[in-house]
Amino acid sequence: GNSVTQMEGPVTLSEEAFLTINCTYTATGYPSLFWYVQYPGEGLQLLLKATKADDKGSNKGFEATYRKETTSFHLEKGSVQVSDSAVYFCALISNAGNMLTFGGGTRLMVKP
Amino acid sequence: GAVVSQHPSRVICKSGTSVKIECRSLDFQATTMFWYRQFPKKSLMLMATSNEGSKATYEQGVEKDKFLINHASLTLSTLTVTSAHPEDSSFYICSAPFRGTKNIQYFGAGTRLSVL
Repeated sequence: GNSVTQMEGPVTLSEEAFLTINCTYTATGYPSLFWYVQYPGEGLQLLLKATKADDKGSNKGFEATYRKETTSFHLEKGSVQVSDSAVYFCALISNAGNMLTFGGGTRLMVKP
Repeated sequence: GAVVSQHPSRVICKSGTSVKIECRSLDFQATTMFWYRQFPKKSLMLMATSNEGSKATYEQGVEKDKFLINHASLTLSTLTVTSAHPEDSSFYICSAPFRGTKNIQYFGAGTRLSVL
C-alpha cells in the first residue's frame, strides 16, 4: 500500500535559518504529492503541491521538488520566521483515488 | 477559493452522550468527503469516506456503529460520535476534494472533542 515517511520532530531553528524537512514515499504509479501545514489550534491548510515528476511546488517561500528517482518530496525554506512554527505534514494521493495518505507530521519551532 | 466549513470547532460533552459534527462545502459540491481523526502529537488517521446518497466506507478498525456518517446532500456530511467515551476525545477533521483541481483536498478547521 501507499506510505509516507517524514522526519520526526521537533525541529527547532533560529529565525532566518534554513529549513529542510525530509519526506519520502512509497506508492504505485504516479502519485500527487502535497505538503500541508497545521498552525497551533487550527485545521490543515494546503501549503504546496506537485503532480508529476520534477515539478516544483512553492508557496510562502517554501519549496518542494517531486523527485521520482529518489521517491522524495523534501520541504525547504531559505529563511524561516517565528510565524512558520507549526506542524508540517507530507502527503500523497495515488492516481487511483482521492484519499490522502499522510506522513507522521513534523513539528517546527522557530525561535526569535 | 473553495472553502470547507466544519462545525462546531470545539465541543465538551459528558460520557454517554452523542455529538454531531457537520462538514459543509461552501461553494462547491462534494459527492465524497473524508473524515480524519488526529490523536495528540500524532498524524491524521483516515476514519471513513462519506459518499453522497450511499453508505460510508469505513477504514479497518473504525466502528461504524460508533461513528455514524451521513452524507445527505452534495454539500453536507455529518459525523455523529455515539455514546461518547473519554477515549473518543480527539481532533476530528473533514475534507472534500474540489473538482477541477486535480486531487486537491480542502480541509475543515477541525473539531476538538473532549469527553468528560
